[in-house]
Amino acid sequence: AQTVTQSQPEMSVQEAETVTLSCTYDTSENNYYLFWYKQPPSRQMILVIRQEAYKQQNATENRFSVNFQKAAKSFSLKISDSQLGDTAMYFCAFMKQGPGSSNTGKLIFGQGTTLQVKP
Amino acid sequence: DTAVSQTPKYLVTQMGNDKSIKCEQNLGHDTMYWYKQDSKKFLKIMFSYNNKELIINETVPNRFSPKSPDKAHLNLHINSLELGDSAVYFCASSQEGFRVFFGPGTRLTVL
Repeated sequence: AQTVTQSQPEMSVQEAETVTLSCTYDTSENNYYLFWYKQPPSRQMILVIRQEAYKQQNATENRFSVNFQKAAKSFSLKISDSQLGDTAMYFCAFMKQGPGSSNTGKLIFGQGTTLQVKP
Repeated sequence: DTAVSQTPKYLVTQMGNDKSIKCEQNLGHDTMYWYKQDSKKFLKIMFSYNNKELIINETVPNRFSPKSPDKAHLNLHINSLELGDSAVYFCASSQEGFRVFFGPGTRLTVL
């Protein structure tokens, strides 16, 4: 069974600074996807970034980037130039790749990290 | 032009009642899901439907019954509500599972 662990329940960062959220996972699968989702107080789940395990290059989306270490089963999220609107709970998630080009879409989530961006 | 919508957003009810949450997606996706977020914010999949066929059923009590009248709709019916059912329920959809789009969530409070 796959598990996802986020060891930082809460973090804070000053506006405009950089913060890194940690995530580790456990799986015996070789093909899978990793995600970071953001959940602001509105409770909407928003996809921040996605990484395919077969890709060595780390994914980036504007101010968001990941450090994917497959051998160490680590998938951290770096937020650069933090903004007040980044205040939210962040969830790391794992999805096993299904047969062929399809996937089950079953996301396994970590416990979440609450990020507070301070002015 | 909401992608995944759920109704109602808030639901307050008494123990023992039966209630339903409706979900619709206009993305043309083949697969829809229900996820539950408990009071500790932990998210876990409950069900997955692909083209109206049940694909995933994660040991959810049989008081919970999903119903998919067509591939754009996946409703969740809950019988004999219990205090422990209080949570936020998210509907979601995806095409081939690569990117899962979530609805706004329904906060269910059982008194």
